[in-house]
Amino acid sequence: SSELTQDPAVSVALGQTVRITCQGDSLRSYYASWYQQKPGQAPVLVIYGKNNRPSGIPDRFSGSSSGNTASLTITGAQAEDEADYYCNSRDSSGNHLRVFGGGTKLTVL
Amino acid sequence: QVQLQESGPGLVKPSETLSLTCAVSGYSISSGYYWGWIRQPPGKGLEWIGSIYHSGSTYYNPSLKSRVTISVDTSKNQFSLKLSSVTAADTAVYYCARDNSGGVEIFFDYWGQGTLVTVSS
Repeated sequence: SSELTQDPAVSVALGQTVRITCQGDSLRSYYASWYQQKPGQAPVLVIYGKNNRPSGIPDRFSGSSSGNTASLTITGAQAEDEADYYCNSRDSSGNHLRVFGGGTKLTVL
Repeated sequence: QVQLQESGPGLVKPSETLSLTCAVSGYSISSGYYWGWIRQPPGKGLEWIGSIYHSGSTYYNPSLKSRVTISVDTSKNQFSLKLSSVTAADTAVYYCARDNSGGVEIFFDYWGQGTLVTVSS
């Protein structure tokens, strides 16, 4: 089982806004990072820290956090955003351990 | 540009030890950062295996800790994973990544392409 909980699947209409959430006690103390993974490819970091995007990540991706919930928002979803998304942070023990959420399959309709 | 490349056997027999190496280019491991291993069983999610600091300090997933060893070779600019007593449940794509974690920020910013390891006799 994962200490970070994600909805297994979310769908969004092309061009609309979608929020993918990640819940866990550790998120009250640590930021989540978010990864996009397309079939047969390695994960790609899309958001880290408070709301930072690595170079090359479109600005339609943004991150936020409130209490024990971190969110990844895609504003104006594109067909190429269809992928699995994983959150990542520390575990709740605070012992330098990392943990991933179970992943959310995003479908763009 | 930082690049990571996993290498090692694609097939391991049950009860044996899985050994993988991650070669890093574009950055000197001895300069800093953690370096991590993550795996993904077929059709399933990501699982953090463990991370090593450039100085050699290690952190392991408690569920794998008794079987995992991660080491670093700064002279070759690479780090390695050993997982002992493997079973079919250890069949997965294994990724190495730079673990750019510090303070309240936890993230893996550069990833290898991944290598599939199958445990089968």
